[in-house]
Amino acid sequence: GNSVTQMEGPVTLSEEAFLTINCTYTATGYPSLFWYVQYPGEGLQLLLKATKADDKGSNKGFEATYRKETTSFHLEKGSVQVSDSAVYFCALTNNQGGKLIFGQGTELSVKP
Amino acid sequence: KAGVTQTPRYLIKTRGQQVTLSCSPISGHRSVSWYQQTPGQGLQFLFEYFSETQRNKGNFPGRFSGRQFSNSRSEMNVSTLELGDSALYLCASSGPRENTEAFFGQGTRLTVV
Repeated sequence: GNSVTQMEGPVTLSEEAFLTINCTYTATGYPSLFWYVQYPGEGLQLLLKATKADDKGSNKGFEATYRKETTSFHLEKGSVQVSDSAVYFCALTNNQGGKLIFGQGTELSVKP
Repeated sequence: KAGVTQTPRYLIKTRGQQVTLSCSPISGHRSVSWYQQTPGQGLQFLFEYFSETQRNKGNFPGRFSGRQFSNSRSEMNVSTLELGDSALYLCASSGPRENTEAFFGQGTRLTVV
């Protein structure tokens, strides 16, 4: 079946550090891939997406590239800020009627 | 453009009771999905409705049900509440075309005591 695996957290970084959160997936066919972010007490916000192999999604300094050969969609940011502290979820959809499959989430804490 | 609206935001219920949660999607969106979020199980898909029809269902017991109205608003119902049903319930809407990204509401925090 389809599944998403994320690196475990929590991840603690200093401000301006480089961020990588690993995400790998298992899916048949050609899924679309997403990163969502959840701030405390809030719902999920779409951070970026990629719908086909080699696509790069980017938003607010975050980037992720859809790598079909390694079934990965790692999230990166060159210089994190305290305001980036949140939980990040990698997800996929495989044309299954709107069903999103999420990874377990990675909590990021950025210290000043 | 208004986002996805979920009501109520917080709810406390007693074991054995039933509860109904509401979700108003973004105007023009026809697909509404529901998810349960818990610390132990993470985000799990409950079901998805499209044009008033349940199109997909997750692996939850029959106590969890939903429906969608002609204006795309959706409700989910949980009967005979158990302590383990305590969770954040998230609704997402997408559309009008197929396979577009999902936009989430802020969720309903259900506590069963």
